[in-house]
Amino acid sequence: DTGVSQDPRHKITKRGQNVTFRCDPISEHNRLYWYRQTLGQGPEFLTYFQNEAQLEKSRLLSDRFSAERPKGSFSTLEIQRTEQGDSAMYLCASSLGDRGLQETQYFGPGTRLLVL
Amino acid sequence: AQSVAQPEDQVNVAEGNPLTVKCTYSVSGNPYLFWYVQYPNRGLQFLLKYITGDNLVKGSYGFEAEFNKSQTSFHLKKPSALVSDSALYFCAVRVHGSSNTGKLIFGQGTTLQVKP
Repeated sequence: DTGVSQDPRHKITKRGQNVTFRCDPISEHNRLYWYRQTLGQGPEFLTYFQNEAQLEKSRLLSDRFSAERPKGSFSTLEIQRTEQGDSAMYLCASSLGDRGLQETQYFGPGTRLLVL
Repeated sequence: AQSVAQPEDQVNVAEGNPLTVKCTYSVSGNPYLFWYVQYPNRGLQFLLKYITGDNLVKGSYGFEAEFNKSQTSFHLKKPSALVSDSALYFCAVRVHGSSNTGKLIFGQGTTLQVKP
């Protein structure tokens, strides 16, 4: 399978715990995005990496959230001191592009987080 | 601010009939427009995109979409619906500009129900 993969697919945690999600993009894709999708809504942008550089963060990304892409390949998204409002589907997408931004983003299956 | 609207929460159509899922957008620059489909417990799958050129764009699984600049719309269409087309459909826009990172702005989604 050469698509975007995410791990874990499901995560149940208690409020106040820390969680970490992993995304493996399509090989050689230089751009990586994280989105969050709550029930009945479309995905909302969280953060963007070009290679290993984090170039944009949404205001949705509070200081409890941190994302990394240390070698420009896989990425991790960590949520510290989880809250019930963090319950959502976390989607990762990757693309191969330069300046044109015409390229397509390909999404992984998502990690569904439930905070009890 | 850029935004995407999908005015219908749900569209119902009989198998074999044509289907239309509506999308309108509001952007300050030239838009790149996308349609994705989401099946239960899965990530988003790319259907088609409009970048430039012919206003009628053909995509996967027999879907097509028509870009209408004057009406700022990008409706998704299919001549003959299948029961297997039943899913959640998202329209998204990416603005082509000098300082954006390629993030997608999504509509809230439209559930398509195709009945046999």
